[in-house]
Amino acid sequence: DTAVSQTPKYLVTQMGNDKSIKCEQNLGHDTMYWYKQDSKKFLKIMFSYNNKELIINETVPNRFSPKSPDKAHLNLHINSLELGDSAVYFCASSHLSGGRHEQYFGPGTRLTVT
Amino acid sequence: DQQVKQNSPSLSVQEGRISILNCDYTNSMFDYFLWYKKYPAEGPTFLISISSIKDKNEDGRFTVFLNKSAKHLSLHIVPSQPGDSAVYFCAASAFTSGTYKYIFGTGTRLKVLA
Repeated sequence: DTAVSQTPKYLVTQMGNDKSIKCEQNLGHDTMYWYKQDSKKFLKIMFSYNNKELIINETVPNRFSPKSPDKAHLNLHINSLELGDSAVYFCASSHLSGGRHEQYFGPGTRLTVT
Repeated sequence: DQQVKQNSPSLSVQEGRISILNCDYTNSMFDYFLWYKKYPAEGPTFLISISSIKDKNEDGRFTVFLNKSAKHLSLHIVPSQPGDSAVYFCAASAFTSGTYKYIFGTGTRLKVLA
């Protein structure tokens, strides 16, 4: 009974390709996030969605586009993949409107661009 | 500019002893602090949090201390158990542009020796 799930868990692709990572949460949370953990282990927020609306859009290339079809899903599309996009991407959710700051993370998607 | 720093990349502790993990921050606007634990190939798991209006929060074997004047927080685990071996991330949040923004430290790898 996974709270936050991501697919796929591993993704190996070539430079220039377009790929998507899917995320779903069954916790009824109102806010969802995408984080990137790079080779130096920095966990950095990329996007934050609250009730399907984009709230935070950090300085990421516009090749990255989040899409939230409903409150339970936040997908990440990446166009024209580059070597530097190789990282682990984590989806997370939280119930900010309930004053709860703790985030629940998915298992991560390890993206390798060759 | 790393606003949340965990200066010890690793820590080894004997089982049954106390583990102390440290975190320093630079932004005085942070009003909420969290600790997460991460096992390999899994997403971070929320452990414990503390509001900036408090200086201590305790949950079982885990206690977080906040020293606002020093901009320092620490996580104490006592007694330490082998299952506590993981990477621990400190995170801080600030309300900005209508939402909460979370900044993570780079993590400290804790190894509890049996």
